[in-house]
Amino acid sequence: QKEVEQDPGPLSVPEGAIVSLNCTYSNSAFQYFMWYRQYSRKGPELLMYTYSSGNKEDGRFTAQVDKSSKYISLFIRDSQPSDSATYLCAMRSYGQNFVFGPGTRLSVLP
Amino acid sequence: ETGVTQTPRHLVMGMTNKKSLKCEQHLGHNAMYWYKQSAKKPLELMFVYNFKEQTENNSVPSRFSPECPNSSHLFLHLHTLQPEDSALYLCASSQEPEKLFFGSGTQLSVL
Repeated sequence: QKEVEQDPGPLSVPEGAIVSLNCTYSNSAFQYFMWYRQYSRKGPELLMYTYSSGNKEDGRFTAQVDKSSKYISLFIRDSQPSDSATYLCAMRSYGQNFVFGPGTRLSVLP
Repeated sequence: ETGVTQTPRHLVMGMTNKKSLKCEQHLGHNAMYWYKQSAKKPLELMFVYNFKEQTENNSVPSRFSPECPNSSHLFLHLHTLQPEDSALYLCASSQEPEKLFFGSGTQLSVL
């Protein structure tokens, strides 16, 4: 079993849809959880950061962490064509290296 | 513009060339990283420097040689590369143990 699993997509949605992106993981020691957005041939851009369990909201983006289920989610409301990118989840435990999911490619169609 | 700057943005080199990638972070972080990103593969950690000391070398071939002269600068020296080394090379920094910030990357093509 891979340490972090993520549906690679591609995921296509119409403009204005609510998008749900998910990652599952196996290491219960993970405490720090991140979501990155990466446009083609560019570096990943940090979107959301969460420590331990709970929800965090920033504009149209909401990150959820459920440590009991080892499951994290990123929701995008009112999705826009500019949201079309690859979304990477990342996580780590204290003193260890970051572990990344393979990324989900999202296309928001006008 | 992020707080992590990478140069050059694009690089084409032959298998016998020697080149260097440069990274500078303006965030006051204490750790810097090199990652490799190949098409349709997850990010691969190559090297980690913490307070200028190399703390991780993820079984990277010796044709890749990192250098960290201070906590703000990181280099990746390249020599006798192979075509399969063509990829996006990403530099990142963090203030342990929190968020990781990436540069824009160097798109490397080895002919």
